[in-house]
Amino acid sequence: SQTIHQWPATLVQPVGSPLSLECTVEGTSNPNLYWYRQAAGRGLQLLFYSVGIGQISSEVPQNLSASRPQDRQFILSSKKLLLSDSGFYLCAWTGGDRNSYEQYFGPGTRLTVT
Amino acid sequence: GNSVTQMEGPVTLSEEAFLTINCTYTATGYPSLFWYVQYPGEGLQLLLKATKADDKGSNKGFEATYRKETTSFHLEKGSVQVSDSAVYFCALDTQGGSEKLVFGKGTKLTVNP
Repeated sequence: SQTIHQWPATLVQPVGSPLSLECTVEGTSNPNLYWYRQAAGRGLQLLFYSVGIGQISSEVPQNLSASRPQDRQFILSSKKLLLSDSGFYLCAWTGGDRNSYEQYFGPGTRLTVT
Repeated sequence: GNSVTQMEGPVTLSEEAFLTINCTYTATGYPSLFWYVQYPGEGLQLLLKATKADDKGSNKGFEATYRKETTSFHLEKGSVQVSDSAVYFCALDTQGGSEKLVFGKGTKLTVNP
Protein backbone atom coordinates (compact mmCIF):
# COMPACT_ATOMS: atom_id res chain seq x y z
CA SER A 1 0.00 0.00 0.00
CA GLN A 2 1.02 3.57 -0.54
CA THR A 3 2.01 5.90 2.28
CA ILE A 4 3.15 9.49 2.42
CA HIS A 5 5.42 10.95 5.05
CA GLN A 6 6.18 14.52 6.01
CA TRP A 7 8.66 15.92 8.48
CA PRO A 8 9.06 17.60 10.70
CA ALA A 9 5.57 17.55 12.18
CA THR A 10 5.99 20.95 13.81
CA LEU A 11 8.55 23.69 13.40
CA VAL A 12 9.15 27.08 14.99
CA GLN A 13 11.56 29.28 13.11
CA PRO A 14 12.60 32.95 13.43
CA VAL A 15 12.02 35.45 10.65
CA GLY A 16 14.87 35.40 8.16
CA SER A 17 15.93 31.82 8.85
CA PRO A 18 15.99 29.12 6.14
CA LEU A 19 13.41 26.39 5.74
CA SER A 20 13.43 22.83 4.47
CA LEU A 21 10.38 20.58 4.63
CA GLU A 22 10.51 17.08 3.25
CA CYS A 23 7.89 14.78 1.81
CA THR A 24 8.35 11.20 0.67
CA VAL A 25 5.95 8.73 -0.86
CA GLU A 26 6.23 4.96 -0.62
CA GLY A 27 4.58 2.19 -2.59
CA THR A 28 4.14 3.96 -5.91
CA SER A 29 6.32 5.19 -8.74
CA ASN A 30 6.31 8.40 -10.76
CA PRO A 31 3.56 10.09 -8.75
CA ASN A 32 2.48 13.66 -9.27
CA LEU A 33 3.41 15.55 -6.11
CA TYR A 34 1.95 18.71 -4.63
CA TRP A 35 2.67 21.24 -1.88
CA TYR A 36 -0.22 23.14 -0.32
CA ARG A 37 -0.36 25.76 2.40
CA GLN A 38 -3.30 26.20 4.73
CA ALA A 39 -3.22 29.46 6.64
CA ALA A 40 -5.20 29.73 9.87
CA GLY A 41 -8.92 29.72 9.18
CA ARG A 42 -8.44 29.61 5.44
CA GLY A 43 -8.67 27.08 2.67
CA LEU A 44 -5.94 25.29 0.77
CA GLN A 45 -3.57 27.14 -1.48
CA LEU A 46 -1.63 25.13 -4.05
CA LEU A 47 2.00 26.25 -3.99
CA PHE A 48 3.85 23.83 -6.27
CA TYR A 49 3.28 20.66 -8.19
CA SER A 50 5.62 18.26 -9.93
CA VAL A 51 4.98 15.65 -12.61
CA GLY A 52 8.51 14.21 -12.50
CA ILE A 53 12.07 14.51 -11.23
CA GLY A 54 13.33 18.05 -11.64
CA GLN A 55 9.98 19.28 -13.02
CA ILE A 56 8.42 21.92 -10.80
CA SER A 57 5.51 24.23 -11.52
CA SER A 58 4.87 27.20 -9.28
CA GLU A 59 1.33 28.36 -8.72
CA VAL A 60 1.91 31.58 -6.80
CA PRO A 61 4.84 34.00 -6.62
CA GLN A 62 6.48 33.89 -3.20
CA ASN A 63 9.76 33.43 -1.41
CA LEU A 64 9.35 29.64 -1.31
CA SER A 65 10.82 27.13 -3.74
CA ALA A 66 10.42 23.41 -4.33
CA SER A 67 12.63 20.66 -5.61
CA ARG A 68 12.22 17.03 -6.56
CA PRO A 69 15.63 15.36 -6.40
CA GLN A 70 14.21 11.83 -6.51
CA ASP A 71 11.08 10.25 -7.90
CA ARG A 72 9.30 10.01 -4.56
CA GLN A 73 10.85 12.94 -2.70
CA PHE A 74 9.53 16.48 -2.72
CA ILE A 75 11.18 19.31 -0.77
CA LEU A 76 9.86 22.75 0.09
CA SER A 77 12.47 25.40 0.88
CA SER A 78 13.01 29.01 1.68
CA LYS A 79 16.21 31.02 2.06
CA LYS A 80 14.60 33.59 4.38
CA LEU A 81 11.29 33.03 6.11
CA LEU A 82 8.67 35.75 6.49
CA LEU A 83 6.00 36.01 9.18
CA SER A 84 3.41 35.39 6.48
CA ASP A 85 4.93 31.97 5.79
CA SER A 86 3.37 30.61 8.96
CA GLY A 87 0.79 27.93 8.29
CA PHE A 88 0.06 24.26 7.89
CA TYR A 89 1.95 22.75 4.95
CA LEU A 90 0.55 19.69 3.27
CA CYS A 91 2.15 17.41 0.74
CA ALA A 92 0.00 15.25 -1.53
CA TRP A 93 0.32 12.76 -4.36
CA THR A 94 -2.08 11.79 -7.09
CA GLY A 95 -3.69 8.39 -7.09
CA GLY A 96 -6.80 6.90 -8.59
CA ASP A 97 -7.51 5.63 -12.06
CA ARG A 98 -7.51 7.59 -15.27
CA ASN A 99 -11.09 8.70 -14.72
CA SER A 100 -10.39 10.67 -11.57
CA TYR A 101 -7.40 12.24 -9.95
CA GLU A 102 -7.97 12.18 -6.25
CA GLN A 103 -5.06 13.26 -4.14
CA TYR A 104 -3.74 11.63 -1.01
CA PHE A 105 -2.35 13.87 1.69
CA GLY A 106 0.41 13.59 4.22
CA PRO A 107 -0.05 14.45 7.91
CA GLY A 108 1.23 18.00 7.43
CA THR A 109 3.85 20.26 9.00
CA ARG A 110 2.78 23.08 11.31
CA LEU A 111 5.18 25.99 10.73
CA THR A 112 5.25 29.00 13.04
CA VAL A 113 7.50 31.89 12.07
CA THR A 114 8.28 34.16 15.02
CA GLY B 1 -12.20 29.04 -15.02
CA ASN B 2 -12.74 26.18 -12.63
CA SER B 3 -14.02 26.99 -9.15
CA VAL B 4 -15.80 25.48 -6.18
CA THR B 5 -18.13 27.31 -3.83
CA GLN B 6 -19.04 25.89 -0.44
CA MET B 7 -21.51 27.14 2.12
CA GLU B 8 -19.97 29.37 4.73
CA GLY B 9 -19.36 27.87 8.11
CA PRO B 10 -19.07 27.16 10.88
CA VAL B 11 -21.91 24.68 11.19
CA THR B 12 -22.91 23.52 14.67
CA LEU B 13 -25.29 20.60 15.13
CA SER B 14 -26.45 18.32 17.88
CA GLU B 15 -25.69 14.63 17.73
CA GLU B 16 -28.08 12.66 15.49
CA ALA B 17 -29.09 15.77 13.52
CA PHE B 18 -29.26 15.78 9.72
CA LEU B 19 -26.32 17.38 7.92
CA THR B 20 -26.18 19.15 4.57
CA ILE B 21 -23.14 21.04 3.34
CA ASN B 22 -23.77 22.71 0.01
CA CYS B 23 -21.22 22.68 -2.79
CA THR B 24 -21.56 24.09 -6.29
CA TYR B 25 -18.95 24.18 -9.00
CA THR B 26 -17.97 25.85 -12.24
CA ALA B 27 -15.91 23.81 -14.66
CA THR B 28 -15.19 23.17 -18.28
CA GLY B 29 -15.69 19.63 -19.43
CA TYR B 30 -16.75 16.87 -17.07
CA PRO B 31 -14.71 16.96 -13.88
CA SER B 32 -14.71 14.38 -11.13
CA LEU B 33 -15.94 15.68 -7.78
CA PHE B 34 -14.65 14.94 -4.31
CA TRP B 35 -15.32 15.54 -0.65
CA TYR B 36 -12.35 15.59 1.69
CA VAL B 37 -12.41 15.69 5.48
CA GLN B 38 -9.77 17.18 7.77
CA TYR B 39 -9.81 16.21 11.44
CA PRO B 40 -8.11 18.61 13.88
CA GLY B 41 -4.35 18.73 13.43
CA GLU B 42 -4.30 16.25 10.57
CA GLY B 43 -3.99 16.19 6.79
CA LEU B 44 -6.94 15.77 4.45
CA GLN B 45 -8.57 12.41 3.84
CA LEU B 46 -10.65 11.51 0.84
CA LEU B 47 -14.20 10.94 2.07
CA LEU B 48 -16.02 10.15 -1.17
CA LYS B 49 -16.00 10.87 -4.88
CA ALA B 50 -18.14 10.80 -8.02
CA THR B 51 -16.74 10.66 -11.52
CA LYS B 52 -19.77 11.33 -13.73
CA ALA B 53 -23.22 12.87 -13.68
CA ASP B 54 -25.80 11.17 -11.44
CA ASP B 55 -23.12 9.15 -9.67
CA LYS B 56 -23.56 8.94 -5.90
CA GLY B 57 -20.49 8.75 -3.74
CA SER B 58 -20.87 7.34 -0.25
CA ASN B 59 -18.71 6.50 2.74
CA LYS B 60 -19.12 6.34 6.53
CA GLY B 61 -22.80 7.31 6.26
CA PHE B 62 -22.04 10.39 4.13
CA GLU B 63 -23.47 10.73 0.62
CA ALA B 64 -23.18 13.18 -2.26
CA THR B 65 -24.74 13.03 -5.74
CA TYR B 66 -23.12 14.57 -8.82
CA ARG B 67 -25.85 16.85 -10.25
CA LYS B 68 -24.80 18.19 -13.63
CA GLU B 69 -28.01 20.15 -14.19
CA THR B 70 -27.50 22.17 -11.01
CA THR B 71 -23.67 21.89 -10.98
CA SER B 72 -23.84 20.72 -7.38
CA PHE B 73 -22.35 18.04 -5.15
CA HIS B 74 -23.96 18.56 -1.74
CA LEU B 75 -22.74 16.46 1.17
CA GLU B 76 -25.37 14.83 3.41
CA LYS B 77 -25.52 12.59 6.42
CA GLY B 78 -28.68 11.45 8.11
CA SER B 79 -27.41 11.33 11.68
CA VAL B 80 -24.16 13.01 12.66
CA GLN B 81 -21.92 11.94 15.52
CA VAL B 82 -19.50 13.91 17.69
CA SER B 83 -16.67 12.14 15.86
CA ASP B 84 -17.80 13.81 12.60
CA SER B 85 -16.56 17.16 13.88
CA ALA B 86 -14.04 18.27 11.28
CA VAL B 87 -13.52 20.60 8.33
CA TYR B 88 -15.05 19.40 5.05
CA PHE B 89 -13.70 20.42 1.63
CA CYS B 90 -15.41 20.03 -1.71
CA ALA B 91 -13.08 19.72 -4.73
CA LEU B 92 -12.99 19.02 -8.44
CA ASP B 93 -10.19 17.84 -10.69
CA THR B 94 -9.20 20.04 -13.58
CA GLN B 95 -8.02 17.13 -15.73
CA GLY B 96 -6.11 18.02 -18.85
CA GLY B 97 -2.87 16.40 -17.73
CA SER B 98 -1.78 18.42 -14.70
CA GLU B 99 -4.17 16.54 -12.45
CA LYS B 100 -4.70 19.46 -10.17
CA LEU B 101 -7.56 19.79 -7.74
CA VAL B 102 -9.52 22.95 -7.10
CA PHE B 103 -10.77 23.12 -3.51
CA GLY B 104 -13.54 25.03 -1.86
CA LYS B 105 -12.66 27.07 1.22
CA GLY B 106 -13.86 24.39 3.62
CA THR B 107 -16.75 24.18 6.06
CA LYS B 108 -16.09 23.58 9.72
CA LEU B 109 -18.58 21.24 11.37
CA THR B 110 -18.94 20.93 15.13
CA VAL B 111 -21.23 18.26 16.54
CA ASN B 112 -22.23 18.61 20.18
CA PRO B 113 -23.32 15.66 22.35
